[in-house]
Amino acid sequence: QKEVEQDPGPLSVPEGAIVSLNCTYSNSAFQYFMWYRQYSRKGPELLMYTYSSGNKEDGRFTAQVDKSSKYISLFIRDSQPSDSATYLCAMRGNQGGKLIFGQGTELSVKP
Amino acid sequence: DAGVIQSPRHEVTEMGQEVTLRCKPISGHNSLFWYRQTMMRGLELLIYFNNNVPIDDSGMPEDRFSAKMPNASFSTLKIQPSEPRDSAVYFCASSASGGFHEQYFGPGTRLTVT
Repeated sequence: QKEVEQDPGPLSVPEGAIVSLNCTYSNSAFQYFMWYRQYSRKGPELLMYTYSSGNKEDGRFTAQVDKSSKYISLFIRDSQPSDSATYLCAMRGNQGGKLIFGQGTELSVKP
Repeated sequence: DAGVIQSPRHEVTEMGQEVTLRCKPISGHNSLFWYRQTMMRGLELLIYFNNNVPIDDSGMPEDRFSAKMPNASFSTLKIQPSEPRDSAVYFCASSASGGFHEQYFGPGTRLTVT
């Protein structure tokens, strides 16, 4: 079993839809949770960064962490074609900088 | 800021040849990470350095892979000999403060071993 599980999709939605992306994990030591966005043939870039449980909002993006369920989510409101990319969750514990990534979910937002 | 620089961007080589991938981290960052990305396995950490010292190389697949960081502004990942199953996109990332902050990724090197 992988430490981090993420449905690879692909996920296709119409423009303006609310998108929900999710990851589950097994390691209770994870404390820091991130979402990266990766456009085709580019490197990943950090989108959201959350410590421990709770919600964090940044514009159209909301990240949620439920440590009791070992479940994290990224919501995108009013999705745009420019949001079409692969979204990777990543997480780590308190020791060092080693990130564990999910498989990534490929999202396509159709005009 | 030029960001993380990787070279070459694309590499095609024959099985058995030596391959060297290069990375220049963002100036002032003291942590450097090498990742490999494939469709089957996703993004995997191979090795990371803090202050030019290898901290965790548990992701290096086998002895054919080696990485060095001779100074704060340069790192190499070498595969010798290369095999077709090494075909992947290799990313370098750098971070400030021992990797506890955001990791900035380079554009990647797309390696094809025939």
